[in-house]
Amino acid sequence: DQQVKQNSPSLSVQEGRISILNCDYTNSMFDYFLWYKKYPAEGPTFLISISSIKDKNEDGRFTVFLNKSAKHLSLHIVPSQPGDSAVYFCAANSGGYQKVTFGTGTKLQVIP
Amino acid sequence: DTAVSQTPKYLVTQMGNDKSIKCEQNLGHDTMYWYKQDSKKFLKIMFSYNNKELIINETVPNRFSPKSPDKAHLNLHINSLELGDSAVYFCASSRLQPTNTGELFFGEGSRLTVL
Repeated sequence: DQQVKQNSPSLSVQEGRISILNCDYTNSMFDYFLWYKKYPAEGPTFLISISSIKDKNEDGRFTVFLNKSAKHLSLHIVPSQPGDSAVYFCAANSGGYQKVTFGTGTKLQVIP
Repeated sequence: DTAVSQTPKYLVTQMGNDKSIKCEQNLGHDTMYWYKQDSKKFLKIMFSYNNKELIINETVPNRFSPKSPDKAHLNLHINSLELGDSAVYFCASSRLQPTNTGELFFGEGSRLTVL
C-alpha cells in the first residue's frame, strides 16, 4: 500500500526555468510533509517541509505547496540550476516516533 | 566530520551468509533508523530505536536483527542472506522533539549485493 506517490519518475527543465515536482498521498493522518534531495552515492538530505496546517512554505528558491483537500503537494524550484539535478523524494510523517513514509522519487535534470 | 556514518559502503556476499552493517552518528540525536531502498527505489523504514529501545519494527523478517549498544550506534545484522536482501541500506538519525516533523539525517548508504 503506497501511501505517498510520485507519479513522474523523471523531469527535465532548462536552467533558469521553474521546476515543479508533484506528490500525492492517501493517509489523512499525515501532519508533516517533506522533500528530500538525493545525489548519486549519497544519502537523502532534507530540503524543506510543511506542516499540515499551512498551505505554503518558502525557503529561498524552494517553495512547497500543500492542498489538503486534494491530498497533493508540490515543490517549486525557481530558478532551476544545474546543481539542482538530483532525485527528489516526497515524504510524509504522522507524528509520534517519526515514522516517515517516502515516495519513489522524481529524477530532476536541469539542462544548462 | 561525517554526521551519520555507515560501514561498509559496499558488501558483496553469497546466499546463506551472515553479515553486519554498522552505523554511528555524532549529532547527539536520540533516535536512529534503518531504511531499505530496493531495486524499485522504494525507501522503506525497517527499524527505529530511541535511546537504545526498539520503537518501530516494520514486519521485517526475523533474519534481520538490529542492535543499539548506545544511542549513538545502531547496527544491523542479517542472518542467512537471500537474493531479495540485495538493496541499499540507509541509516538515519533524528532528534525526538515535541513536534516530530520528520526531518531525518541520513548516512551515505550501504549497498548489499547477495549472489
